[in-house]
Amino acid sequence: NAGVTQTPKFRVLKTGQSMTLLCAQDMNHEYMYWYRQDPGMGLRLIHYSVGEGTTAKGEVPDGYNVSRLKKQNFLLGLESAAPSQTSVYFCASSYVRGGRIEQFFGPGTRLTVL
Amino acid sequence: KQEVTQIPAALSVPEGENLVLNCSFTDSAIYNLQWFRQDPGKGLTSLLLIQSSQREQTSGRLNASLDKSSGRSTLYIAASQPGDSATYLCAAMNNAGNMLTFGGGTRLMVKP
Repeated sequence: NAGVTQTPKFRVLKTGQSMTLLCAQDMNHEYMYWYRQDPGMGLRLIHYSVGEGTTAKGEVPDGYNVSRLKKQNFLLGLESAAPSQTSVYFCASSYVRGGRIEQFFGPGTRLTVL
Repeated sequence: KQEVTQIPAALSVPEGENLVLNCSFTDSAIYNLQWFRQDPGKGLTSLLLIQSSQREQTSGRLNASLDKSSGRSTLYIAASQPGDSATYLCAAMNNAGNMLTFGGGTRLMVKP
């Protein structure tokens, strides 16, 4: 099991460029999430999905879009990157079993927007 | 809105000490509380998860407790080792089970 994987690991963008971050999990988890981690702000939820074809906004969704066309993949898109989106992005997935929900995280994508 | 606070923000101890990391949350209506470890430049590794109906969980040298009524959780690390050096994060899950709110973390350094 690879667990949760993220592509790419690093990326540098110029203001206004677009990009898509890919998250994949091979654990057959129902839920998937995108977070950003910033110094002094901790981890904050951007968007999440409770199943294939469904997505919902988290705490800081502005400037991002997501899609979950397949159960194992969760894509995060930046349509017009801004310097404020410089951050480390983490994807996570969780199972829902017997009332227990536990999140597992990927290694992160470090994004710099110039 | 849930707020999660971790104290202290940083901690340095000599090897072999037992230590306690603290986590407090403002809304006691939580689904569960999860403790994570994060090494520099890496992702988060789940350490312990405590369901809202539980009081504590143990894994090896780690023990986490939960007191919902007072909005507190503690992570106890026994006989600390240099390999325990990392940032420890606690996170409270909301009752809907779809959102984790993270604390700012405690950066732990265990000196040989």
